[in-house]
Order: sequence, then C-alpha cells, then structure tokens
Amino acid sequence: AQKVTQAQTEISVVEKEDVTLDCVYETRDTTYYLFWYKQPPSGELVFLIRRNSFDEQNEISGRYSWNFQKSTSSFNFTITASQVVDSAVYFCALSEAYSGAGSYQLTFGKGTKLSVIP
Amino acid sequence: ETGVTQTPRHLVMGMTNKKSLKCEQHLGHNAMYWYKQSAKKPLELMFVYNFKEQTENNSVPSRFSPECPNSSHLFLHLHTLQPEDSALYLCASSQGGGFTEAFFGQGTRLTVV
Repeated sequence: AQKVTQAQTEISVVEKEDVTLDCVYETRDTTYYLFWYKQPPSGELVFLIRRNSFDEQNEISGRYSWNFQKSTSSFNFTITASQVVDSAVYFCALSEAYSGAGSYQLTFGKGTKLSVIP
Repeated sequence: ETGVTQTPRHLVMGMTNKKSLKCEQHLGHNAMYWYKQSAKKPLELMFVYNFKEQTENNSVPSRFSPECPNSSHLFLHLHTLQPEDSALYLCASSQGGGFTEAFFGQGTRLTVV
C-alpha cells in the first residue's frame, strides 16, 4: 500500500524567511508520480507540481523549488523568501496505477499548515 | 470561471434529509473524483469515475450515492447522514486515468445536525 507522511503539522515563519516542507513516501511500485498541492483558506486545492519517479532532477519555479530523492523516498518543497500569501496548507501526494484500466489512486499526506507572519 | 465548480459551497442538513452535491468541470477531462476532507483525517478518496463509469468505490457507506451522467458532471446524493459525515467534500477532475494531475473545486462544506 502507498503512504505519504508529512511529519510537520504546522510551521510558522517570519516573512522573507526560507521554509522547507518535508514529504516522505512509501510505495512498492517503480513507476509513480508525486505531487504538491496548496490549499488556501478558500478551500480549493491548487496544483503546484508533478514529478515522475524516473526524473530526479530538482525543479525551481520562481520562489518554489522541489528536491526529489529516491534514495530517501523524499520529495521536499522549499519556499524561498516567504510571503504572507504563501500561508496555506500544503499537501504532498503520491499516485500509483491500479491494475484496472483508467483508474488510479492519489494518496495524500495529512498536510502541513504554513503560517507566514508579516 | 474556475475549471471545476461545486455547488453549494455550504450545506447544513438534518440527519433525515436528502440533499445532493453538484460538481461541474469545464476542462474537457474524462475522469472525476469525490474526496472527503475532515479535520482529523487526510484527504480520503471516495469515488472515481472514468468516462462516466465508476471505477472506484473506496468502501464508502451507502448513504453516499454518486452519479455521473456525463464526463462533465458529477453528483453526490446524500441521505440519512450522521454528524461524523460533516466535512469538506471536494470534487476533482483529471485528463483520464493514469498519472495526470487532478484539478479541484473549492469544495462543499457540509454540516450534519
């Protein structure tokens, strides 16, 4: 069974600080995808990134960066120079393919609530 | 207009009521999902529809009944719910099954009294 662990329940940082959100996953599949989503107070989950299990290159998008390490089964997310608008709950998720055609399960971690204090 | 729209945004219902949640996606996706998000549990997948066919029922009680009349619309019919069913219900869609990212609606905040 697949599992996603986000050990940090809540994090508070002062604006302009860097912050890293941890994600550790478990899977028996060799082919899988990892995701990060942001959930602001409005409730909608906003897709941030998708990474497949064969691509371990780190990725940077503006102030966001992701570090994928298969050796430690981790997919960590760093926000550089945090801003108040970054305050939200962030979810890491893992997707494996089911044996049935066209169906897959997206398993989420419990989320990390990030508060950026002005 | 957002890609995935859910109505209503908030719903209060008694345990003997029958109500329905509606989800509509404007992204041309083939797969749609219902998730439950409660305070003490991670996001739980409830149902998956792919090309209007239900491909997953994640051991959900029968008081929740999904309906997918076409690839753009998804309903969740509710009847004789319990207070512990109070949660945020999120609808999502994706381009087929597999590993594509899912896009979520803003959810329906359900309170069962």
